[in-house]
Amino acid sequence: DVVMTQTPVSLSVSLGGQVSISCRSSQSLVHNNGNTYLSWYLQKPGQSPQLLIYKVSNRFSGISDRFSGSGSGTDFTLKISRVEPDDLGVYYCGQGTQYPYTFGAGTKLELK
Amino acid sequence: QLVESGGGLVQPGRSLKLSCVASGFTFSNYGMNWIRQAPGKGLEWVAYISSGSSYIYYAETVKGRFTISRDNAKNTLYLQMTSLRSEDTALYYCARGTYSSYHWFAYWGQGTLVTVSS
Repeated sequence: DVVMTQTPVSLSVSLGGQVSISCRSSQSLVHNNGNTYLSWYLQKPGQSPQLLIYKVSNRFSGISDRFSGSGSGTDFTLKISRVEPDDLGVYYCGQGTQYPYTFGAGTKLELK
Repeated sequence: QLVESGGGLVQPGRSLKLSCVASGFTFSNYGMNWIRQAPGKGLEWVAYISSGSSYIYYAETVKGRFTISRDNAKNTLYLQMTSLRSEDTALYYCARGTYSSYHWFAYWGQGTLVTVSS
């Protein structure tokens, strides 16, 4: 199975600040078809997870451009700029390249 | 919209069947997933079924005990869970991708809680 390792486990940020979350996979996430299926999700307190980013850097419908994804192969980053109160929660990376699909353990974003 | 049901308190070794009713999209066009989250823990993908039920995949932790199925006429996804263990205690979500891909989870239900305890 592909192991997804997220760092840091938690992050404190001031409103308006910028943060980065790292996600590394134990194997390359490049699919046989050439696509890289790395996604990012945010789970706000008491809510279901929501998709932010798919295929490394594509923002899902309705997602602010303050969220950006980058990376390749086994090394990926989610950046959040101009952090707002509604951005707080737990962020997960996930791979959809091979079954079983797997997630990172999560990064909790809190207010400083 | 995805609405799960069927969760509850069940004794170890017993069975439970979860349902997920879909609305607002053409259910028969989409592969569907079950994903679970133990209390205070992260996300764990459980199972996938393709739109026509031709392809089915399971996590090793549930293989042989859980069965995913669907009824496209009823717009409903199922998860039959047998030989339940305490470690199966979790909030179970159904989720689907977008029309262009099943490689991510774009839409999630609100979840149904399964508690395995004597």
